[in-house]
Amino acid sequence: QSVLTQPPSVSAAPGQRVTISCSGSRSNIGNNHVSWYQQFPGTAPKVIIYDSNKRPSGIPDRFSASKSGTSATLGITGLQTGDEADYYCGAWDTSLSGELFGGGTKLTVL
Amino acid sequence: EVQLVESGGGLVQPGGSLRLSCAVSGFTLSDHFMDWVRQAPGKGLEWVGRSRNKVENYITQYAASVKGRFTISRDDSKNALFLQMNGLTSEDTAMYYCTRGFFFDWGQGTLVTVAS
Repeated sequence: QSVLTQPPSVSAAPGQRVTISCSGSRSNIGNNHVSWYQQFPGTAPKVIIYDSNKRPSGIPDRFSASKSGTSATLGITGLQTGDEADYYCGAWDTSLSGELFGGGTKLTVL
Repeated sequence: EVQLVESGGGLVQPGGSLRLSCAVSGFTLSDHFMDWVRQAPGKGLEWVGRSRNKVENYITQYAASVKGRFTISRDDSKNALFLQMNGLTSEDTAMYYCTRGFFFDWGQGTLVTVAS
């Protein structure tokens, strides 16, 4: 059972916008940065957002993220079939002294 | 170019031990925090543990699920990170990833299967 809570799945049509939520607590999201990862089947995860809202070079600006209180949100605009993947949020938990990951959200582009 | 290449995975019996290695290149290992993350088949990501950098005296931290059984070490001169795993159970069956710098870079993973 993950301490960071994500919806198991989300879906939207090509070209549309989708958001993925990540809910935590004061000891993790509330006081630390959030990262978001994209994972295609059979491959390693890749960071697409770090420090709550920053994109690594090479990540298109269709991907954005925000954080408010103990929750974070990943947004993807202009959905493409190539965006179909599992998305994970992650944050350090100060109380546990460990990194937490959300359970993952499977994005389906209909 | 940053590269992380894990090795050492395989089939091991319950109660057994295994040592994973992560060969790194393209950066100075001693400058960076390094983590191990695992993913059981069909499941989500689980943090295993961290080796802080030289400035922070290489302090290690572990998930409760592996503390006392797993040990992270590194050899900066050989550009390698290690994960010694003892007392393995079926719950430890997973793909194990080596990551750099707060999960900014990931290796391709090495599969550990614990079964009799």
